[in-house]
Amino acid sequence: EVQLLESGGGLVQPGGSLRLSCAASQFTFSSHDMNWVRQGPGKGLEWVARFNGDTGLRDYVDSVKGRFTVSRDNSQNTLYLQMNSLTVEDTAVYYCVRDTGGWGRFDQWGQGTLVTVSA
Amino acid sequence: EIMMTQTPLSLSVTPGQSASISCKSNQSLLHSGVRTYLYWYLQKAGQPPQLLIYEVSNRFSGVPDRFSGSGSGTDFTLTISRVEAEDVGIYYCMQSIHFPRTFGQGTKLEIQ
Repeated sequence: EVQLLESGGGLVQPGGSLRLSCAASQFTFSSHDMNWVRQGPGKGLEWVARFNGDTGLRDYVDSVKGRFTVSRDNSQNTLYLQMNSLTVEDTAVYYCVRDTGGWGRFDQWGQGTLVTVSA
Repeated sequence: EIMMTQTPLSLSVTPGQSASISCKSNQSLLHSGVRTYLYWYLQKAGQPPQLLIYEVSNRFSGVPDRFSGSGSGTDFTLTISRVEAEDVGIYYCMQSIHFPRTFGQGTKLEIQ
């Protein structure tokens, strides 16, 4: 069974940093685009970042550009999200999401990890 | 950024009746005249979202055939025929023709 297991969430002060990890298993991790999608408390879904499995290209939503960095280690089947200069608006559950086909077919989602930015 | 607008934002349906959710984009989601990158996801309470429909009208593996998607260009519809109690949750459309990927606001489906 395909699994995506996020970790690394927690409470951080505004301006702080956090690194999220997503451990993938039971599929060929390297051949898939991987994404982070977040959901603020009581809010809808917001796509955050993508790491293209073929090209290594990375894409971000404007609100995190320059602050967040998505990376991956295919040897460890792990996706990362380095988050710097965090603000209260970044408070959310962060989901690791597999894209099959590279065009938004988000067919596997992790359970999410909660990031809370608060003083 | 492509804006996705869903209507209604909530609906209450009697079991066995049908329900429809509209999703409109402010740009065409048709790519190279071939594929249209519009998806539907359902988020049940306390769970991550799950894929229902990809590329407008294709049901994902395991999705009951009472779920159907239709539309083209900028106007799309998710229809649930014979609504069941397990269909309760929030439905989101999403476009992926351009970055950033963007979701609709979500439509909350309740059972009467």
